[in-house]
Amino acid sequence: AQSVTQLGSHVSVSEGALVLLRCNYSSSVPPYLFWYVQYPNQGLQLLLKYTTGATLVKGINGFEAEFKKSETSFHLTKPSAHMSDAAEYFCAVSTPSGGSYIPTFGRGTSLIVHP
Amino acid sequence: DAGVTQSPTHLIKTRGQQVTLRCSPKSGHDTVSWYQQALGQGPQFIFQYYEEEERQRGNFPDRFSGHQFPNYSSELNVNALLLGDSALYLCASSWDRGSETQYFGPGTRLLVL
Repeated sequence: AQSVTQLGSHVSVSEGALVLLRCNYSSSVPPYLFWYVQYPNQGLQLLLKYTTGATLVKGINGFEAEFKKSETSFHLTKPSAHMSDAAEYFCAVSTPSGGSYIPTFGRGTSLIVHP
Repeated sequence: DAGVTQSPTHLIKTRGQQVTLRCSPKSGHDTVSWYQQALGQGPQFIFQYYEEEERQRGNFPDRFSGHQFPNYSSELNVNALLLGDSALYLCASSWDRGSETQYFGPGTRLLVL
């Protein structure tokens, strides 16, 4: 079984400030980890993913995440928030099952960016 | 390169009715998954289709059924609609050989009155 916990349903930052969105996962086997972003009334867009190899993963729009196995975490960061980053962010964990990968999503964190 | 497309974008139905949602996968993808996203929640897996067969299913009742066509497009059917079926329905596609990453469509927002 796999699960994802996103700490904080809402995160509020000022424009230009550091963005930190937290994600912890549970998995019985080495996982694949993902961050997706969802803008209002839209589908999910892949920000970045960790499969194997380097534990620091860089994604689109200046976001990055670090896989920490010992902490079972995959926190998302961005050095400087922009107004356009305001959106819902979802962390997901995926492991092989029945010949395919089905991601399990967290409940999401709404990022609010103040001018 | 066209991404995942879904139709319709919005739909209003009444309780007890039936609905069909449609999805065309990203070019080169052969696997389609469907998700239900209730307001304020993360997407919940409904089922996945590969080679025109349901390969995996989440914890959803039999009222939810699907189909995949030879061109890899897919339909999601929901019978006997309940108020609680109101949600954003997302389709995601992937390539079976590299299936750890799914690409999502814009979704169909269903409102059941």
